[in-house]
Amino acid sequence: SQKIEQNSEALNIQEGKTATLTCNYTNYSPAYLQWYRQDPGRGPVFLLLIRENEKEKRKERLKVTFDTTLKQSLFHITASQPADSATYLCAPPFSGGYNKLIFGAGTRLAVHP
Amino acid sequence: GAVVSQHPSRVICKSGTSVKIECRSLDFQATTMFWYRQFPKQSLMLMATSNEGSKATYEQGVEKDKFLINHASLTLSTLTVTSAHPEDSSFYICSAREALNSPLHFGNGTRLTVT
Repeated sequence: SQKIEQNSEALNIQEGKTATLTCNYTNYSPAYLQWYRQDPGRGPVFLLLIRENEKEKRKERLKVTFDTTLKQSLFHITASQPADSATYLCAPPFSGGYNKLIFGAGTRLAVHP
Repeated sequence: GAVVSQHPSRVICKSGTSVKIECRSLDFQATTMFWYRQFPKQSLMLMATSNEGSKATYEQGVEKDKFLINHASLTLSTLTVTSAHPEDSSFYICSAREALNSPLHFGNGTRLTVT
């Protein structure tokens, strides 16, 4: 069955460093993949979408890569700030069923001053 | 940007009563809306997908008679938790999108507590 895996362990980094989060998927080949940010008690907020024919996508301090051979996406935050602390979710669409989005467990990022 | 309004943000109800949660897309037409449920420190669990004017498609294990979804217009979907029980207490979040491969825009969720 289609599966998404994110590092469920929290990632703790120092302010100013680059945070790298991993999303692996198995048993299918999505045409694109989305990344979201979720703060406690709030709904997720869309950050970036990367398509299978794009190796890399950037938005300000964010960078996403998409390796269809490895079936993996990496999400980078450069020059991280305490305000970047949140849970980050990856979501490739599942085939069939209106391209519904099934989310990974998310990785909690904590940026320390 | 696209805004999704979800109401109420919090509700406390007695066991056996029904609760209705509304989800509105304020500045765009949502062809599809999704309802998720989230337990503390866990990821979003998709409950159902609804398209305007048609019956919702429920995920395996989600009781359609328990969680009634109505998507009456391109800007409004409702989730009714019928005969709520304490185990239904959770964080319910709706999301909406304009087109098939568009990003999802989420509401801010509804914290349901059933006593």
